[in-house]
Amino acid sequence: DAKTTQPPSMDCAEGRAANLPCNHSTISGNEYVYWYRQIHSQGPQYIIHGLKNNETNEMASLIITEDRKSSTLILPHATLRDTAVYYCLHRGSTLGRLYFGRGTQLTVWP
Amino acid sequence: GAVVSQHPSWVICKSGTSVKIECRSLDFQATTMFWYRQFPKQSLMLMATSNEGSKATYEQGVEKDKFLINHASLTLSTLTVTSAHPEDSSFYICSVHGRGSYEQYFGPGTRLTVT
Repeated sequence: DAKTTQPPSMDCAEGRAANLPCNHSTISGNEYVYWYRQIHSQGPQYIIHGLKNNETNEMASLIITEDRKSSTLILPHATLRDTAVYYCLHRGSTLGRLYFGRGTQLTVWP
Repeated sequence: GAVVSQHPSWVICKSGTSVKIECRSLDFQATTMFWYRQFPKQSLMLMATSNEGSKATYEQGVEKDKFLINHASLTLSTLTVTSAHPEDSSFYICSVHGRGSYEQYFGPGTRLTVT
């Protein structure tokens, strides 16, 4: 079962940073936080994952709080193509299984 | 990341017939494959987990005799929807996971419409 909480929708102006929050207060000590996004009618796309340190890649940055109960995905310069549903997850009890919640619909406007 | 393909990308079938959907990992040895279903305006729902060399494990509420999964090799998994009905119309997505990997890669999805 999905165990994360995200706002259902957010807006962002093109070129500005998009900060997407996620609450995962039930995360276990050895579970990673994952972020995926899904553009309409496509399969989810992996963005980033982390355990407890902040992470950055070519797509985004992931900020995880010290208590690991929440995290924020940052898209530093949002573009129209970043409009998608963004899912925050943490791995379930069995290796590999990912349970999706409702995610956040991010709309980037011109 | 790994490249995952699905075939067909969309299919229309008549009620009562069976439909097979293929999921291929093109450049990645997938020791574990997953099948998800997504209804319009809803999130992805995990249906089953398929491990190399063993039978699939189905999530609660998913009928294993209706959704047959065969993990034929490290690069191919198939999902067969048997005796399809209109309520089985959905977007079916597979994903692959490699041994020792922390990442999971998704296919582009297959849109099934049962008339």
